[in-house]
Amino acid sequence: DVVLTQSPVSLPVTLGQPASISCSSSHSLVHSDGNTYLSWFQQRPGQSPRRLFYQVSNRDSGVPDRFSGSGSGSDFTLKISRVEAEDVGVYYCMQGTFWPTFGGGTKVEIK
Amino acid sequence: EVPLVETGGGLIQPGGSLRLSCGVSGLTVGNNFMSWIRQSPGKGLQWVSIIYPDGRTFYADSVKGRITTFSDNSKNMVYLHLNSLRVEDTALYYCVAADFPNQADSWGRGTLVTVSS
Repeated sequence: DVVLTQSPVSLPVTLGQPASISCSSSHSLVHSDGNTYLSWFQQRPGQSPRRLFYQVSNRDSGVPDRFSGSGSGSDFTLKISRVEAEDVGVYYCMQGTFWPTFGGGTKVEIK
Repeated sequence: EVPLVETGGGLIQPGGSLRLSCGVSGLTVGNNFMSWIRQSPGKGLQWVSIIYPDGRTFYADSVKGRITTFSDNSKNMVYLHLNSLRVEDTALYYCVAADFPNQADSWGRGTLVTVSS
């Protein structure tokens, strides 16, 4: 299986400050069709995961533009330009290039 | 948001069987890629199965040989049957829909399965 390693595991952030989460893959996630199937999910406390981005940087409907996704090959980043209280939760990367796997998650909390 | 509602969870003894259902509204099951994904504190999020619109199914190695998933397009429902349950099958099981393979666009709220004696 493809292993996705996220860092940090825990991310305390001051409201209004930026946050950055890294996701590193054990394999290149470039599919034979040329696309890179790396997604990001947000899971707020008590809720199901919600997709934020697909194919690295395509924002899902309703996702605030303070969120951005970037990266290529086997290294990817999710950034929040200014953290708000509603952003508290656990963030996961997921790859769909091979049998789908998730990263271990990064818990974002307010300092 | 597409409502997906999972039912059938509960407490099951090791070696027993699991029957989960997923009711879908707002989209046609037969035109989408329907997956089961589970989440547990110990193993995090794990993709369990995918049903393609043409009926093909794919399963995680951890459940192969013990699992059957299928859809009933007339009822717009998806089902998961898992046998020979192990303690490590304990998890919150989500029904997930997508318009592309290996993607997870819309999630249900999940149903909790606990395997314990």
